[in-house]
Amino acid sequence: AQSVAQPEDQVNVAEGNPLTVKCTYSVSGNPYLFWYVQYPNRGLQFLLKYITGDNLVKGSYGFEAEFNKSQTSFHLKKPSALVSDSALYFCAVRDTPYSGAGSYQLTFGKGTKLSVIP
Amino acid sequence: DSGVTQTPKHLITATGQRVTLRCSPRSGDLSVYWYQQSLDQGLQFLIQYYNGEERAKGNILERFSAQQFPDLHSELNLSSLELGDSALYFCASSTDDSHNEQFFGPGTRLTVL
Repeated sequence: AQSVAQPEDQVNVAEGNPLTVKCTYSVSGNPYLFWYVQYPNRGLQFLLKYITGDNLVKGSYGFEAEFNKSQTSFHLKKPSALVSDSALYFCAVRDTPYSGAGSYQLTFGKGTKLSVIP
Repeated sequence: DSGVTQTPKHLITATGQRVTLRCSPRSGDLSVYWYQQSLDQGLQFLIQYYNGEERAKGNILERFSAQQFPDLHSELNLSSLELGDSALYFCASSTDDSHNEQFFGPGTRLTVL
């Protein structure tokens, strides 16, 4: 079974400072990893994904994430936080199906609320 | 705008009632997923359809059912509603390529009184 952990319910960071939102995962095969952001009263928006290749993945709005296989982590980062980045962030994982006929369902973490303080 | 539409935006109903939530996927997407988001359970996968056929089931109650129609829109039916069913229900769609991301609709907020 696949699972995701986001160890921090809330992260506070000052505007202009770098931010990190943590995510660790557990899968039996090779992971496909995703980050989504949810603004109040809105649906989830895709930020970035890791499938294979370079461990540093760049995504929307200046976000990036680093895949670390040995630590089973996929932390989301941004060099300089903006107040508009304040939102709920979700990490998600999908296990690669062995049969090729499996589901592409995602397992989401509980979410981390990011607050960027002016 | 993700291209996924959901109706209605808000739904208020009473315990014991039945409701239907509707989702239209992005143009060209064959897979539709339903998720429930609540404060205590987080974001939970309910069910997936691909080109009209059920592909996977998650934590979906027996009181809930879904289907995907030939035009690829999907409906989630919730019956014998309980207070605990109050939540945000999201639909997402994707192509069937294994590593493609899912695109989420704006959600339907269900309140059971």
